[in-house]
Amino acid sequence: SQQGEEDPQALSIQEGENATMNCSYKTSINNLQWYRQNSGRGLVHLILIRSNEREKHSGRLRVTLDTSKKSSSLLITASRAADTASYFCATAEMNRDDKIIFGKGTRLHILP
Amino acid sequence: EAGVAQSPRYKIIEKRQSVAFWCNPISGHATLYWYQQILGQGPKLLIQFQNNGVVDDSQLPKDRFSAERLKGVDSTLKIQPAKLEDSAVYLCASSLYPGLEQYFGPGTRLTVT
Repeated sequence: SQQGEEDPQALSIQEGENATMNCSYKTSINNLQWYRQNSGRGLVHLILIRSNEREKHSGRLRVTLDTSKKSSSLLITASRAADTASYFCATAEMNRDDKIIFGKGTRLHILP
Repeated sequence: EAGVAQSPRYKIIEKRQSVAFWCNPISGHATLYWYQQILGQGPKLLIQFQNNGVVDDSQLPKDRFSAERLKGVDSTLKIQPAKLEDSAVYLCASSLYPGLEQYFGPGTRLTVT
């Protein structure tokens, strides 16, 4: 079963622009994580935001979490060609031993 | 520190054959995960170990899939017999504790013909 649902499914933007992708989930969580997967490569952890946090930054990444709406957003500022990848949100479910469930992902393509 | 190691990287087998995948997690990581990722989809958890005990195997097709983590370190995932729909990338990941950031291996791309 997949808990998180990313939106949009695919996104193409010009290099230098900002990219925003969203994640909605269904159950109560302890934390929400974002991962990146380049074509043909493994997943890399980007950032973790706990359920009692509302916003977190890491370099060019900004993540927000709204537990009342059960949603999160990932903003990538000043995009680069190397940001072309699939981005997945993953939720650690409360009351289920922090079971991690991944969404289907957003495919981001940065145009030169 | 060394990352999560997996082997083989690629495997092609015929349906009804068996196959095994191996994973060596990051040293000291108590939690180990096996995921199946079908092209265009997110990873689907097959089984989660805490040390050498199974925490969650609710989505593991137990009639054909099996996994073990002897001594709480390395793990193997086996499929016997394989079906066409098992064609996917099998990812191994580890984390210090359940629910924390996971570190993924490069995966094994399985093709069943």
